[in-house]
Amino acid sequence: GAGVSQSPSNKVTEKGKDVELRCDPISGHTALYWYRQSLGQGLEFLIYFQGNSAPDKSGLPSDRFSAERTGGSVSTLTIQRTQQEDSAVYLCASNSRGWGYEQYFGPGTRLTVT
Amino acid sequence: AQTVTQSQPEMSVQEAETVTLSCTYDTSESDYYLFWYKQPPSRQMILVIRQEAYKQQNATENRFSVNFQKAAKSFSLKISDSQLGDAAMYFCAYNNNDMRFGAGTRLTVKP
Repeated sequence: GAGVSQSPSNKVTEKGKDVELRCDPISGHTALYWYRQSLGQGLEFLIYFQGNSAPDKSGLPSDRFSAERTGGSVSTLTIQRTQQEDSAVYLCASNSRGWGYEQYFGPGTRLTVT
Repeated sequence: AQTVTQSQPEMSVQEAETVTLSCTYDTSESDYYLFWYKQPPSRQMILVIRQEAYKQQNATENRFSVNFQKAAKSFSLKISDSQLGDAAMYFCAYNNNDMRFGAGTRLTVKP
């Protein structure tokens, strides 16, 4: 079956512009996760959705970051007024059992802010 | 805050040999989960093995096994009979209502 997909796979944007990153989870997966992976670093947890709700948004690095999920499926991570330090790979994952169980990851979106 | 430490940025192993990747973590919780994920150059994170903290028995998945020492907060990964396809970044992760990853260990497998 289809895995987690993310689009675009690569995005280059100018500093100060807004970007939207999209995640399509595996069909039927109720939990969806966003992570950021900076060059040579591990993954930094950003936000988690159970259905359309995000119980904890404290992982978002600044108020320029927001995320939403509609219809219990697709999620969008939006970064406003991008900064060079936002350059990273943004990974999305999903599962049907929530925390404590295997997360299925997408291939990520590589964001470069020039 | 929970932190995960992988003290080996890079490791190398000869094909068919055994290698152990180290991971320690810091937590005040008693119930949690631990994972090892593999990230090949394709960037796709793949689960290698999972351990539930309340289980004393070490998890095993084919050539992959862990040494879970709860009191020492240590969770090392042993890869036996290493194969060329095992070459990747390996991330240790701690989970208790959020997920904390270590910085990763890059494993090279020499033919």
